[in-house]
Formats: sequence, C-alpha cells, structure tokens
Amino acid sequence: GAVVSQHPSRVICKSGTSVKIECRSLDFQATTMFWYRQFPKQSLMLMATSNEGSKATYEQGVEKDKFLINHASLTLSTLTVTSAHPEDSSFYICSARRRVGSGDTQYFGPGTRLTVL
Amino acid sequence: GNSVTQMEGPVTLSEEAFLTINCTYTATGYPSLFWYVQYPGEGLQLLLKATKADDKGSNKGFEATYRKETTSFHLEKGSVQVSDSAVYFCASSLPKGNNRLAFGKGNQVVVIP
Repeated sequence: GAVVSQHPSRVICKSGTSVKIECRSLDFQATTMFWYRQFPKQSLMLMATSNEGSKATYEQGVEKDKFLINHASLTLSTLTVTSAHPEDSSFYICSARRRVGSGDTQYFGPGTRLTVL
Repeated sequence: GNSVTQMEGPVTLSEEAFLTINCTYTATGYPSLFWYVQYPGEGLQLLLKATKADDKGSNKGFEATYRKETTSFHLEKGSVQVSDSAVYFCASSLPKGNNRLAFGKGNQVVVIP
C-alpha cells in the first residue's frame, strides 16, 4: 500500500521558536496533501490543503502566518509552526491524496507530537 | 458546515462479539462517508467508504450502510478479533470537493481474548 511518512515523530521546543514538520509520500506522487491537528480525545481538525507548486488553502480560523505550508515537490510538504507557544502543543497529522483509477484515497502519516514548553 | 458525531467513549468487548460503532453526520448536499482505522503506532488507514445513499461499504468483515433518512453510517462487524483493537474514525467529505474531510472524535475499540 501507499506509504506516507512524517518527520520528526515528536519534537519538544521552547516557546518563541519555530518548528518544521515534514510529510513525505514515499512511493507515489501527491499533488495534494492535507494537514490536520488533533487534540487529546478530539477529532482531527483539517487545517489546510497543501497544493504542489501553489499556495496552500487554509480552513476558516487557521492563521496562515502562524502555520506556514510549503509543497515544493510532488512528494514533500512541510508545515512550519512559527513562534510556537504552549497552546500550539498538539498532534499534527498529514495525509497525501493519491488518485487511483476514477477515485482517490487519502493516505495518512503516523503524526508528529509537538510539545512547546 | 459538515460535521460528524461518533458515540462517546471507548468500546471494550470480548473476542467474537458483535461490534457496532455509531456515526451520524450533518451535511450540505450529499457527502461521501468513510471509516478510517488507526492501529497502534500507525497512521490512519481507509477501512471502507460509501459515496451515495443506500451504498454499503465493506472490508475485512466490517460493514457500514449510508442511510440518508437517518443521516447515519454505523460501523458493524459480526465477530471481532483481538487484532481489530484500534481507534476507528468516521469521516465525511466536505463541500467544494478536493477530497477534504471532516472527522468524528474516534472510538477506541479494545477486544479482549
């Protein structure tokens, strides 16, 4: 099956620093990737759609200057949490869209646990 | 906007028991509906899906039927195994396409030998 990886799997940083999370589709090309955020015992909240070669599309209420997304190649999207604060601590999950025949499927990464001190 | 509601709390049951996880949705139009499963230490995987009313998705012994009249997509399996222990998420496609999804909170399922 299709594989999506995330790096790092967990990161701890100081308040005010920026953190970059990578999402890679390992065995397929993905023109579209998605970034989600998950709080404990809560659902995954879609943050933004990452489009290869163009600007990301953010969901309502998500600060685009806070969560910078770059989808520079067909296999890599990055999420940078800028000037991180403790309230940004969360589990960040990416997915990559793969077209199969007439349909398409999202393949998810294992997630990145961010802790901001 | 679209939203998905799953039944509260974890589900603990014995091997070979019948499993039901409830899922209801609110939506503009007619969304596609999905169940994803997350095994420990892994990313979410698509379990099954249905794209229109009365469709039944099935995979690995799991089934769910798209019920427009009750806006539901309940997940069922007749005889669970220990290996089915995982977190199960119900999801709905969002308007304006592009494969965007809205997820429920997920249900932890623990199957005891």
